[in-house]
Amino acid sequence: GDSVTQMEGPVTLSEEAFLTINCTYTATGYPSLFWYVQYPGEGLQLLLKATKADDKGSNKGFEATYRKETTSFHLEKGSVQVSDSAVYFCALGDDYKLSFGAGTTVTVRA
Amino acid sequence: NAGVTQTPKFQVLKTGQSMTLQCAQDMNHEYMSWYRQDPGMGLRLIHYSVGAGITDQGEVPNGYNVSRSTTEDFPLRLLSAAPSQTSVYFCASRNTRDTEAFFGQGTRLTVV
Repeated sequence: GDSVTQMEGPVTLSEEAFLTINCTYTATGYPSLFWYVQYPGEGLQLLLKATKADDKGSNKGFEATYRKETTSFHLEKGSVQVSDSAVYFCALGDDYKLSFGAGTTVTVRA
Repeated sequence: NAGVTQTPKFQVLKTGQSMTLQCAQDMNHEYMSWYRQDPGMGLRLIHYSVGAGITDQGEVPNGYNVSRSTTEDFPLRLLSAAPSQTSVYFCASRNTRDTEAFFGQGTRLTVV
């Protein structure tokens, strides 16, 4: 079945550092790919998405490119802020369901 | 626009008790799902629905029932609570396979 493998955390960074979180997937069809973010005590909210190969999703300085040849959707941000501290989930959407990775906890120190 | 509303936010149950977690959405979405979130395991799909009257099992359905009598509501029933069901539960809805899912704020359930 479809699955997502996500880089394990936790990740601790200093403000203005570069962030990358690796995500790879296994799917039989042509899924859509998503990154969701969860701030403490809250539900998940969409950070960015890509619906086909070579699409780049971007939002709030974060970017991820749908790479079909490497089955990857790595999340990057060039300069993180304290407010980026959260749990990040990579997700695969196929048909009616979303499959999530285990989540990566990111802490940014001032 | 309320989005996805879950109740209650917190609940403590004794082993063997039953309860229903409520989920309602006001976006006229066809697809609704229930997930549980456990440390280090991400979100695991419990049950999902592709429209009123249609439900199916996800990855971890045992011990849970669902029904979808209207587009708006998708309640999750715990039949006989067990400590292994201690978790945070999220309801989500989406319109199509390419669109984002909207999540409720979650229900933190503890079974003692």
